[in-house]
Amino acid sequence: DGGITQSPKYLFRKEGQNVTLSCEQNLNHDAMYWYRQDPGQGLRLIYYSQIVNDFQKGDIAEGYSVSREKKESFPLTVTSAQKNPTAFYLCASSRNRDYGYTFGSGTRLTVV
Amino acid sequence: AQSVTQPDIHITVSEGASLELRCNYSYGATPYLFWYVQSPGQGLQLLLKYFSGDTLVQGIKGFEAEFKRSQSSFNLRKPSVHWSDAAEYFCAVGTGNQFYFGTGTSLTVIP
Repeated sequence: DGGITQSPKYLFRKEGQNVTLSCEQNLNHDAMYWYRQDPGQGLRLIYYSQIVNDFQKGDIAEGYSVSREKKESFPLTVTSAQKNPTAFYLCASSRNRDYGYTFGSGTRLTVV
Repeated sequence: AQSVTQPDIHITVSEGASLELRCNYSYGATPYLFWYVQSPGQGLQLLLKYFSGDTLVQGIKGFEAEFKRSQSSFNLRKPSVHWSDAAEYFCAVGTGNQFYFGTGTSLTVIP
């Protein structure tokens, strides 16, 4: 079955370390997205990519980086510059806005 | 600017009672509207979507939503709530290839 796979489900890192979250889709979707979710704040867009080798900053891109070398993959790196990285991270993909998003099951990152 | 408002942060209903979750949007053109549900620690699952045509749309799990252009609303309803419906619900507006999400409504179902 097609879908989006995020790994790992839980991730623990020490403060000051960079960490990369994986997102892979086999839906043949062109667009992929990263959202951050904090309690009471809904979903906030970090980065999005509409085609391979191109991506755009979202509302809260500072302290994050992404790459889109393959259509299927859109990894997110949380850098040491991100002041408050502990959160639930969701990856999504879409063919276009007509079809809505398909979401992964999320990665919960805890920085200690 | 586009925006989505879910005025109810938290709703509690009794099992078997009816449910309505409110969603208002601000968008200049014809909106593409969506409702998603999220169980704790999980991703979001699409419940239903509106593109055009019939303003009452049916979704999965017995949910429906009605688009009212005059009120800029897209409220989600279910006639009889089940305990398994307890979750977080998000309304979203699609524009271009981006989506704007509301801040969510948390639903608690009591026996």
